[in-house]
Amino acid sequence: GNSVTQMEGPVTLSEEAFLTINCTYTATGYPSLFWYVQYPGEGLQLLLKATKADDKGSNKGFEATYRKETTSFHLEKGSVQVSDSAVYFCALRGSSNTGKLIFGQGTTLQVKP
Amino acid sequence: DAMVIQNPRYQVTQFGKPVTLSCSQTLNHNVMYWYQQKSSQAPKLLFHYYDKDFNNEADTPDNFQSRRPNTSFCFLDIRSPGLGDAAMYLCATSRSGRSLGNEQFFGPGTRLTVL
Repeated sequence: GNSVTQMEGPVTLSEEAFLTINCTYTATGYPSLFWYVQYPGEGLQLLLKATKADDKGSNKGFEATYRKETTSFHLEKGSVQVSDSAVYFCALRGSSNTGKLIFGQGTTLQVKP
Repeated sequence: DAMVIQNPRYQVTQFGKPVTLSCSQTLNHNVMYWYQQKSSQAPKLLFHYYDKDFNNEADTPDNFQSRRPNTSFCFLDIRSPGLGDAAMYLCATSRSGRSLGNEQFFGPGTRLTVL
């Protein structure tokens, strides 16, 4: 079945540091891939997405490239801010019409001033 | 703005006392989902509605039920809450269809406390 594996957290960085959160997936066919962010006490917000191989999703300085050859969708940001502190979830959607998402376990990012 | 609204944001109930959480959406999406999220864990899908068709996940306890009276509203009923049901409950919506890029839009969640 489909699955998503994220690097374990927490990840602690200083402001302006470079961020990478690894995400790999297992899926049949050609899934879509997503990164969601969850701030404390809130629901999930879509951060970025990619729907086919070699697509790059980007938003708010975050980027992720859909790599079919390595089945990966790593999240990167060149310079993190304290306000980026949150939990990040990688997710995939398979080919069913119901749009069911398979989530990774989440990675907590803490950015210190 | 089009959005997903959940009420209440915080709900306290007693052990065994039925509770209902509500979700509404202005996106006119035909698919609605209910997730349970416990602390430091990923959201766990309980069930979803594809239009009026109810789809239960295999491991969702019978204690959890749902109703969708119309496109805009969906309810989560917990018939006899136990201490283990304390969690954040998230509602989400999406458009169906063959486009795999249709993302889910999440509400802010309802934090359920069971005393």
